[in-house]
Amino acid sequence: DIQMTQTPSSMPASLGERVTISCRASQGISNYLNWYQQKPDGTIKSLIYYTSNLQSGVPSRFSGSGSGTVYSLTISSLEPEDFAMYYCQQYDSSPRTFGGGTKLELK
Amino acid sequence: EVQLVESGGGLVQPGASLKLSCVASGFTFSDYWMTWVRQTPGKTMEWIGDIKYDGSYTNYAPSLKNRFTISRDNAKSTLYLQMSNVRSEDTATHYCTRGDYYYDGTYYHNYFDYWGQGVMVTVSS
Repeated sequence: DIQMTQTPSSMPASLGERVTISCRASQGISNYLNWYQQKPDGTIKSLIYYTSNLQSGVPSRFSGSGSGTVYSLTISSLEPEDFAMYYCQQYDSSPRTFGGGTKLELK
Repeated sequence: EVQLVESGGGLVQPGASLKLSCVASGFTFSDYWMTWVRQTPGKTMEWIGDIKYDGSYTNYAPSLKNRFTISRDNAKSTLYLQMSNVRSEDTATHYCTRGDYYYDGTYYHNYFDYWGQGVMVTVSS
Protein backbone atom coordinates (compact mmCIF):
# COMPACT_ATOMS: atom_id res chain seq x y z
CA ASP A 1 0.00 0.00 0.00
CA ILE A 2 1.14 3.56 -0.66
CA GLN A 3 1.58 5.46 2.60
CA MET A 4 0.59 9.13 2.64
CA THR A 5 2.19 11.36 5.27
CA GLN A 6 0.76 14.79 5.93
CA THR A 7 2.58 17.55 7.75
CA PRO A 8 1.94 19.23 10.01
CA SER A 9 -0.77 17.30 11.85
CA SER A 10 -2.05 20.56 13.27
CA MET A 11 -1.38 24.14 12.37
CA PRO A 12 -2.38 27.25 14.32
CA ALA A 13 -2.89 30.14 11.94
CA SER A 14 -4.43 33.60 11.78
CA LEU A 15 -7.08 35.11 9.55
CA GLY A 16 -5.51 36.42 6.36
CA GLU A 17 -2.42 34.24 6.71
CA ARG A 18 -1.01 32.16 3.87
CA VAL A 19 -0.65 28.50 4.81
CA THR A 20 0.71 25.41 3.13
CA ILE A 21 -0.05 21.80 4.02
CA SER A 22 2.28 19.09 2.77
CA CYS A 23 1.58 15.53 1.71
CA ARG A 24 4.29 13.02 0.98
CA ALA A 25 3.74 9.65 -0.70
CA SER A 26 5.86 6.59 0.05
CA GLN A 27 6.42 6.20 -3.70
CA GLY A 28 5.76 8.26 -6.81
CA ILE A 29 2.07 8.74 -7.56
CA SER A 30 2.25 10.60 -10.88
CA ASN A 31 0.19 13.57 -9.62
CA TYR A 32 -2.76 11.28 -8.87
CA LEU A 33 -3.61 13.20 -5.73
CA ASN A 34 -6.83 14.70 -4.35
CA TRP A 35 -7.56 17.01 -1.41
CA TYR A 36 -10.63 17.09 0.84
CA GLN A 37 -11.85 19.42 3.57
CA GLN A 38 -13.74 18.24 6.65
CA LYS A 39 -15.58 20.82 8.71
CA PRO A 40 -15.98 20.48 12.51
CA ASP A 41 -19.53 19.18 12.03
CA GLY A 42 -18.15 16.27 9.97
CA THR A 43 -19.19 17.56 6.55
CA ILE A 44 -16.65 16.56 3.91
CA LYS A 45 -16.08 18.42 0.66
CA SER A 46 -13.91 17.69 -2.35
CA LEU A 47 -11.51 20.60 -2.94
CA ILE A 48 -8.91 19.62 -5.52
CA TYR A 49 -8.41 16.69 -7.89
CA TYR A 50 -5.41 15.58 -9.96
CA THR A 51 -3.03 17.66 -7.83
CA SER A 52 -4.09 21.13 -8.91
CA ASN A 53 -7.61 21.17 -10.37
CA LEU A 54 -10.13 23.06 -8.24
CA GLN A 55 -13.59 21.63 -7.89
CA SER A 56 -16.41 23.82 -9.07
CA GLY A 57 -17.30 26.40 -6.46
CA VAL A 58 -14.04 26.15 -4.53
CA PRO A 59 -12.60 29.62 -3.90
CA SER A 60 -9.49 30.58 -5.84
CA ARG A 61 -7.54 31.15 -2.62
CA PHE A 62 -7.09 27.36 -2.60
CA SER A 63 -4.40 25.87 -4.82
CA GLY A 64 -2.59 22.58 -5.16
CA SER A 65 0.80 21.68 -6.53
CA GLY A 66 3.45 19.00 -6.50
CA SER A 67 4.93 16.09 -8.37
CA GLY A 68 6.55 12.76 -7.74
CA THR A 69 6.17 12.04 -4.07
CA VAL A 70 5.66 15.55 -2.65
CA TYR A 71 2.45 17.57 -2.89
CA SER A 72 0.99 20.60 -1.19
CA LEU A 73 -2.24 22.46 -0.59
CA THR A 74 -1.97 26.23 -0.18
CA ILE A 75 -4.57 28.67 1.09
CA SER A 76 -3.45 32.16 0.13
CA SER A 77 -5.41 34.14 2.72
CA LEU A 78 -7.31 32.32 5.44
CA GLU A 79 -11.00 33.01 5.85
CA PRO A 80 -13.00 32.00 8.95
CA GLU A 81 -14.64 29.08 7.12
CA ASP A 82 -11.25 27.56 6.23
CA PHE A 83 -10.51 26.36 9.76
CA ALA A 84 -11.09 22.65 9.30
CA MET A 85 -9.34 19.32 8.73
CA TYR A 86 -7.67 18.66 5.40
CA TYR A 87 -6.84 15.28 3.89
CA CYS A 88 -4.84 14.25 0.87
CA GLN A 89 -5.70 11.00 -0.95
CA GLN A 90 -3.85 9.11 -3.67
CA TYR A 91 -5.49 7.18 -6.48
CA ASP A 92 -2.38 5.96 -8.26
CA SER A 93 -2.96 2.43 -7.01
CA SER A 94 -5.38 0.34 -5.02
CA PRO A 95 -6.05 0.49 -2.16
CA ARG A 96 -6.57 4.23 -2.32
CA THR A 97 -5.05 5.75 0.77
CA PHE A 98 -5.40 8.97 2.70
CA GLY A 99 -3.00 11.13 4.61
CA GLY A 100 -3.42 11.37 8.36
CA GLY A 101 -5.01 14.79 8.14
CA THR A 102 -4.02 18.34 9.05
CA LYS A 103 -6.11 20.34 11.48
CA LEU A 104 -6.06 24.03 10.69
CA GLU A 105 -6.81 25.92 13.91
CA LEU A 106 -7.35 29.56 14.74
CA LYS A 107 -4.32 31.00 16.51
CA GLU B 1 -29.09 18.96 -4.96
CA VAL B 2 -27.03 15.83 -4.44
CA GLN B 3 -27.77 14.12 -1.15
CA LEU B 4 -26.38 10.96 0.39
CA VAL B 5 -28.00 9.80 3.61
CA GLU B 6 -26.52 6.89 5.53
CA SER B 7 -28.33 4.82 8.13
CA GLY B 8 -28.08 1.55 9.99
CA GLY B 9 -25.27 2.32 12.39
CA GLY B 10 -25.22 1.84 16.14
CA LEU B 11 -23.74 -0.26 18.90
CA VAL B 12 -22.96 -3.84 17.93
CA GLN B 13 -21.19 -6.68 19.71
CA PRO B 14 -17.94 -8.17 18.45
CA GLY B 15 -18.57 -10.98 15.99
CA ALA B 16 -21.97 -9.68 14.96
CA SER B 17 -23.15 -8.46 11.56
CA LEU B 18 -24.49 -5.11 10.50
CA LYS B 19 -25.80 -3.66 7.27
CA LEU B 20 -25.45 0.03 6.46
CA SER B 21 -27.55 1.79 3.84
CA CYS B 22 -27.05 4.98 1.88
CA VAL B 23 -29.97 6.53 0.04
CA ALA B 24 -28.98 8.81 -2.82
CA SER B 25 -30.98 11.63 -4.38
CA GLY B 26 -30.46 14.58 -6.68
CA PHE B 27 -28.63 12.65 -9.39
CA THR B 28 -28.99 9.53 -11.54
CA PHE B 29 -27.65 6.95 -9.11
CA SER B 30 -27.16 4.25 -11.75
CA ASP B 31 -24.67 6.45 -13.63
CA TYR B 32 -22.06 6.56 -10.87
CA TRP B 33 -19.56 4.40 -9.10
CA MET B 34 -20.07 4.55 -5.34
CA THR B 35 -17.60 4.13 -2.50
CA TRP B 36 -17.56 3.56 1.24
CA VAL B 37 -14.93 5.33 3.34
CA ARG B 38 -14.60 5.17 7.11
CA GLN B 39 -13.04 7.45 9.69
CA THR B 40 -11.77 6.13 12.99
CA PRO B 41 -12.26 7.99 16.27
CA GLY B 42 -8.63 9.08 15.88
CA LYS B 43 -9.62 10.75 12.56
CA THR B 44 -7.79 8.28 10.30
CA MET B 45 -9.52 7.91 6.94
CA GLU B 46 -9.70 4.47 5.34
CA TRP B 47 -11.05 3.52 1.93
CA ILE B 48 -13.31 0.45 2.27
CA GLY B 49 -14.24 -0.26 -1.34
CA ASP B 50 -16.04 0.67 -4.53
CA ILE B 51 -18.88 -0.64 -6.62
CA LYS B 52 -19.38 -0.03 -10.32
CA TYR B 53 -22.45 1.88 -11.48
CA ASP B 54 -24.27 -1.30 -12.59
CA GLY B 55 -23.14 -3.40 -9.63
CA SER B 56 -21.11 -5.76 -11.83
CA TYR B 57 -17.75 -5.05 -10.20
CA THR B 58 -16.54 -4.40 -6.69
CA ASN B 59 -13.10 -3.64 -5.29
CA TYR B 60 -12.16 -3.78 -1.63
CA ALA B 61 -9.36 -2.89 0.71
CA PRO B 62 -7.46 -6.19 1.12
CA SER B 63 -7.73 -6.04 4.90
CA LEU B 64 -11.54 -5.91 4.71
CA LYS B 65 -12.55 -7.94 1.66
CA ASN B 66 -13.22 -11.15 3.57
CA ARG B 67 -15.68 -9.51 5.96
CA PHE B 68 -17.27 -6.59 4.10
CA THR B 69 -19.58 -6.67 1.06
CA ILE B 70 -20.71 -3.69 -0.96
CA SER B 71 -23.89 -3.89 -3.02
CA ARG B 72 -26.42 -1.55 -4.56
CA ASP B 73 -30.03 -1.41 -5.66
CA ASN B 74 -30.27 1.07 -8.51
CA ALA B 75 -34.08 0.89 -8.52
CA LYS B 76 -34.03 2.22 -4.96
CA SER B 77 -31.00 4.51 -5.44
CA THR B 78 -29.47 2.80 -2.44
CA LEU B 79 -25.95 1.66 -1.62
CA TYR B 80 -25.25 -0.97 1.02
CA LEU B 81 -22.36 -2.10 3.17
CA GLN B 82 -22.71 -5.51 4.78
CA MET B 83 -20.30 -5.87 7.66
CA SER B 84 -19.76 -9.30 9.19
CA ASN B 85 -17.75 -10.62 12.14
CA VAL B 86 -17.15 -7.05 13.28
CA ARG B 87 -14.22 -6.21 15.52
CA SER B 88 -13.42 -3.35 17.85
CA GLU B 89 -11.19 -1.83 15.16
CA ASP B 90 -14.27 -1.45 12.92
CA THR B 91 -15.50 1.27 15.27
CA ALA B 92 -15.69 4.28 12.99
CA THR B 93 -17.90 6.76 11.19
CA HIS B 94 -18.79 5.28 7.82
CA TYR B 95 -19.27 7.57 4.84
CA CYS B 96 -21.00 6.91 1.55
CA THR B 97 -19.39 8.80 -1.32
CA ARG B 98 -20.09 9.34 -4.99
CA GLY B 99 -17.26 8.75 -7.41
CA ASP B 100 -16.70 11.06 -10.32
CA TYR B 101 -13.82 11.51 -12.69
CA TYR B 102 -11.97 13.84 -14.99
CA TYR B 103 -10.73 12.31 -18.26
CA ASP B 104 -7.65 13.99 -19.70
CA GLY B 105 -7.64 11.96 -22.91
CA THR B 106 -5.38 9.31 -21.45
CA TYR B 107 -6.35 8.62 -17.85
CA TYR B 108 -9.45 8.73 -15.71
CA HIS B 109 -8.75 10.84 -12.65
CA ASN B 110 -11.08 9.65 -9.94
CA TYR B 111 -12.24 11.51 -6.88
CA PHE B 112 -15.05 11.42 -4.34
CA ASP B 113 -17.10 14.47 -5.19
CA TYR B 114 -20.00 14.14 -2.73
CA TRP B 115 -20.04 12.63 0.75
CA GLY B 116 -22.84 11.71 3.10
CA GLN B 117 -22.98 12.99 6.66
CA GLY B 118 -21.68 9.66 7.95
CA VAL B 119 -23.07 6.99 10.26
CA MET B 120 -21.34 5.81 13.41
CA VAL B 121 -20.68 2.16 14.10
CA THR B 122 -19.44 1.23 17.56
CA VAL B 123 -18.25 -2.30 18.20
CA SER B 124 -18.20 -3.12 21.88
CA SER B 125 -19.39 -5.77 24.29
